Amino acid sequence: AQTVTQSQPEMSVQEAETVTLSCTYDTSESDYYLFWYKQPPSRQMILVIRQEAYKQQNATENRFSVNFQKAAKSFSLKISDSQLGDAAMYFCAYKETSYDKVIFGPGTSLSVIP
Amino acid sequence: NAGVTQTPKFQVLKTGQSMTLQCAQDMNHNSMYWYRQDPGMGLRLIYYSASEGTTDKGEVPNGYNVSRLNKREFSLRLESAAPSQTSVYFCASSEPVIAKNIQYFGAGTRLSVL
Repeated sequence: AQTVTQSQPEMSVQEAETVTLSCTYDTSESDYYLFWYKQPPSRQMILVIRQEAYKQQNATENRFSVNFQKAAKSFSLKISDSQLGDAAMYFCAYKETSYDKVIFGPGTSLSVIP
Repeated sequence: NAGVTQTPKFQVLKTGQSMTLQCAQDMNHNSMYWYRQDPGMGLRLIYYSASEGTTDKGEVPNGYNVSRLNKREFSLRLESAAPSQTSVYFCASSEPVIAKNIQYFGAGTRLSVL
């Protein structure tokens, strides 16, 4: 069965610095999607970034970028120039192309220190 | 443009009581999901529906039932609530083409079972 692991339950970063959140996953599939979702204290889950496994190029969205290592089954999120509004729970998620189920990791709680 | 609407936002039940959590989306998505979120465990899939008229079990379906009433609505029912069902419940919808497999979440329902 597919699993998603986030080995860092909590992380902290100084404002304006860079932080990397780790995610690894287990699958035997070759075609799938990976996501990072953010859950601020408001509890509303929103997408941060999305990666298609068949694309070798790492996805970027403004200050957010990923390091996708398909062979290693690793999908880390880098947040540059961290802002106070980045403080949240971050969830890594996996979805097969041909299947509707989405598997979430346990989450990483990110604190931003002013 | 409401997105995914969940009701109620909060609920307190006594053990053995029943209730239905409502979810509706206005984005014309085929897939809808129910998750529960517990501390340290991320989001766990309870049930999902790939299209109107179909439902499938997720990781933790015991104690729950679902109904995909039409394309817009997907309800979750607790027939006899137990303290172990105290959690935050999220509904989500998605679509491969329209939404690029991104999940759109409701604001969540905080349920306490006493």
